[in-house]
Amino acid sequence: EVQLVESGGGVVQPGGSLRLSCAVSGFTVSSNYMTWVRQAPGKGLEWVSVIYSSGSTFYIDSVKGRFTISRDNAKNTLYLQMNSLTAEDTAVYYCARQAGGSLDYWGQGTLVTVSS
Amino acid sequence: DVVMTQSPLSLPVTLGQPASISCRPSQSLVYSDGNTYLNWFQQRPGQSPRRLIYKVSNRDSGVPDRFSGSGSGTDFTLKISRVEAEDVGFYYCMQGTHWPYTFGQGTKLEIK
Repeated sequence: EVQLVESGGGVVQPGGSLRLSCAVSGFTVSSNYMTWVRQAPGKGLEWVSVIYSSGSTFYIDSVKGRFTISRDNAKNTLYLQMNSLTAEDTAVYYCARQAGGSLDYWGQGTLVTVSS
Repeated sequence: DVVMTQSPLSLPVTLGQPASISCRPSQSLVYSDGNTYLNWFQQRPGQSPRRLIYKVSNRDSGVPDRFSGSGSGTDFTLKISRVEAEDVGFYYCMQGTHWPYTFGQGTKLEIK
């Protein structure tokens, strides 16, 4: 059975940092494209970042230079390091597998709140 | 970025009646391999998104056959033949042809 379990969310002050984790079971993270998608409170979905099986990474402009996506192959876990956080980064963050122009498996999400 | 425009944004439906959601991308979603990467997701209250449809019309395993997807070019539709109470929630289209992937604004389906 495929499972993606996010953790690491919480309340952080503006300018602070947080690292999100996504523990995966049922498939190998390093053999797949893995993404982070976020959803601000009461808003729609926004694709944030992807790491390819090759290790190449991509980000939307609003997080470029502040967020870093990575993975730990031994732990089969995906990460999102978030620095210089602002109120606009407040959202539920979901990890998902990207395959065939789609996002087929999603985690349950972890809430990040940026507030003083 | 490709803008995905959904309509309506609010959809009150009587139980047992059909429902239809439109999704119009700002440009063609046909990829160089000939495929059209248009997806539909359902997000029930308090849950994470769940994929219903991929590549325009392919239903995911476990998705009831009352859900169907159709369309081409820049005009796509999700149809529910007979709405049930468990269908309440938000529906999002998403394109996976152009980077970055982008979503529609979401359509809130509620029971009238």
